[in-house]
Amino acid sequence: DAKTTQPNSMESNEEEPVHLPCNHSTISGTDYIHWYRQLPSQGPEYVIHGLTSNVNNRMASLAIAEDRKSSTLILHRATLRDAAVYYCIPIKAAGNKLTFGGGTRVLVKP
Amino acid sequence: KAGVTQTPRYLIKTRGQQVTLSCSPISGHRSVSWYQQTPGQGLQFLFEYFSETQRNKGNFPGRFSGRQFSNSRSEMNVSTLELGDSALYLCASSLAGTGVYEQYFGPGTRLTVT
Repeated sequence: DAKTTQPNSMESNEEEPVHLPCNHSTISGTDYIHWYRQLPSQGPEYVIHGLTSNVNNRMASLAIAEDRKSSTLILHRATLRDAAVYYCIPIKAAGNKLTFGGGTRVLVKP
Repeated sequence: KAGVTQTPRYLIKTRGQQVTLSCSPISGHRSVSWYQQTPGQGLQFLFEYFSETQRNKGNFPGRFSGRQFSNSRSEMNVSTLELGDSALYLCASSLAGTGVYEQYFGPGTRLTVT
């Protein structure tokens, strides 16, 4: 499994963008990059995933570096509800096992 | 579409007993994975089932087992419970069980072993 490095925590003000970096330098060519988040007292929640191209959905955007060794999750306008632990997880195209690291705890200040 | 459901939500058992947890995936999803979450170890993968076959297994002792039925519903069983088995057990379902697809998690079953 590819190793990931994420900052332990980040703070943001409400309504401002949040950029969450993830280093996954050992990723293989067929690994998808998934992001999940876990709000307090809830199960993990899917956020977004991609392979090579940048991806957008209603929750966030995912920017993947050209060499795929890093990616950045972008929350365009943070709300209080976005306060959670965010996990970056490379996962093989042929597999389904999520290996959760420590993640980044995001604090959103009103 | 209904989400992933897990029953029961809370459970208290005594050391040495066994327990069975149930997970109903989202309709149409054929892959079900199980995870254990504890404050000390975080979220850890237990196993994954796809079309009634275990495809992947994490590093847990044989006391932890599971199965999947033809309707994709899954159960996990823990025998000879230990205090350290106290945890939140989460299941997740996905369409086809590959990294191409996202996984959807249930609310979890909180197991307390006394």
